[in-house]
Amino acid sequence: EPEVTQTPSHQVTQMGQEVILRCVPISNHLYFYWYRQILGQKVEFLVSFYNNEISEKSEIFDDQFSVERPDGSNFTLKIRSTKLEDSAMYFCASLGAGRMNTEAFFGQGTRLTVV
Amino acid sequence: DAKTTQPNSMESNEEEPVHLPCNHSTISGTDYIHWYRQLPSQGPEYVIHGLTSNVNNRMASLAIAEDRKSSTLILHRATLRDAAVYYCILSGGGSNYKLTFGKGTLLTVNP
Repeated sequence: EPEVTQTPSHQVTQMGQEVILRCVPISNHLYFYWYRQILGQKVEFLVSFYNNEISEKSEIFDDQFSVERPDGSNFTLKIRSTKLEDSAMYFCASLGAGRMNTEAFFGQGTRLTVV
Repeated sequence: DAKTTQPNSMESNEEEPVHLPCNHSTISGTDYIHWYRQLPSQGPEYVIHGLTSNVNNRMASLAIAEDRKSSTLILHRATLRDAAVYYCILSGGGSNYKLTFGKGTLLTVNP
């Protein structure tokens, strides 16, 4: 069974620090996503990424956020200067090619705690 | 984004069938109907999807109304491991794929 891997599983950081959340999507997938879920709330879309560029981003994804696929396997989410309200579970997802493909695979998430 | 409406919660007994409804009266012709679920402390997990016809897979069945304005996810025999939040989501496929999660239906399965 293919899987999306996220590291670390839990990250604690001080307010104002930069964090990088890492994801290894499924190897032949072409579409990549980041979502977040604040404790007790809905899963929220952050950004989608295709062909080495952002295809869509939400209002949450402001200038403090960036994504990168540095080496063809990893997909990272960087938060430049973390705020307390960035504390959440962050989920990476990937989707295979093809217009008919609609089964996204999610990772187990990284719990980010900003103190 | 086209919206869906689901009950906040449902309860079932183990080994009984469960029918989880979803209304999506503003669905467009290119929208797929997706169901995902989220078990406690885990990431969302794909369950099933369909466009017009009913669909079956190893996890569940999806019954889609003829006018596509509603659908029902059917778990044929609920187990304790099926206790989760179930999300009904509309989206296109491929480059038009984007999941917008609502609150979903919290399914409780009683032993």
